[in-house]
Amino acid sequence: GAVVSQHPSRVICKSGTSVKIECRSLDFQATTMFWYRQFPKQSLMLMATSNEGSKATYEQGVEKDKFLINHASLTLSTLTVTSAHPEDSSFYICSARGGTRLLDEQFFGPGTRLTVL
Amino acid sequence: GQNIDQPTEMTATEGAIVQINCTYQTSGFNGLFWYQQHAGEAPTFLSYNVLDGLEEKGRFSSFLSRSKGYSYLLLKELQMKDSASYLCAVQGTGRRALTFGSGTRLQVQP
Repeated sequence: GAVVSQHPSRVICKSGTSVKIECRSLDFQATTMFWYRQFPKQSLMLMATSNEGSKATYEQGVEKDKFLINHASLTLSTLTVTSAHPEDSSFYICSARGGTRLLDEQFFGPGTRLTVL
Repeated sequence: GQNIDQPTEMTATEGAIVQINCTYQTSGFNGLFWYQQHAGEAPTFLSYNVLDGLEEKGRFSSFLSRSKGYSYLLLKELQMKDSASYLCAVQGTGRRALTFGSGTRLQVQP
């Protein structure tokens, strides 16, 4: 299957700082990328859908000014957590899908564990 | 909207068979996925169903009944490494992301 990478895999930051997480599709062009958040012992919650070259679509309850998403190319999407607070500590996972078929499989990145002190 | 239900936890014995159920209510349906997720790792794809019936892939099988809004994941010949969370996810109509159930934590015991 296709490979999706995330960087960094783990980050610890101070409250009030901003953190950028990168999601890359390594061997395919991802027309759409998704960002999920997962708290301990809970399932994945979709934060936003990102299409290359257009603004991200955020799910209800997700602050678009706090979680900035940029999908500047077909292989890279970034999520920036601005002014991070301890409650933003979570496991952030991206997934990518390529092609134009409606039922294309999503490929998940390995995740980024964010800890805000 | 979409609502997906799975049991929270299950326990089974090594070598046995376990069935993990998933029921869903969605405003549109374009397929159901099962993923395996080990603690601290990203989900890995197990199976995909869009038509009614059983899809078999080695030790794992997945079943779908669209009329009943029901699916199950069947794991045979359980191994200790199968201890993980199993996530049921539904794809809605249009080019939408997956909606995940809360996941079922399976513990395989010797």
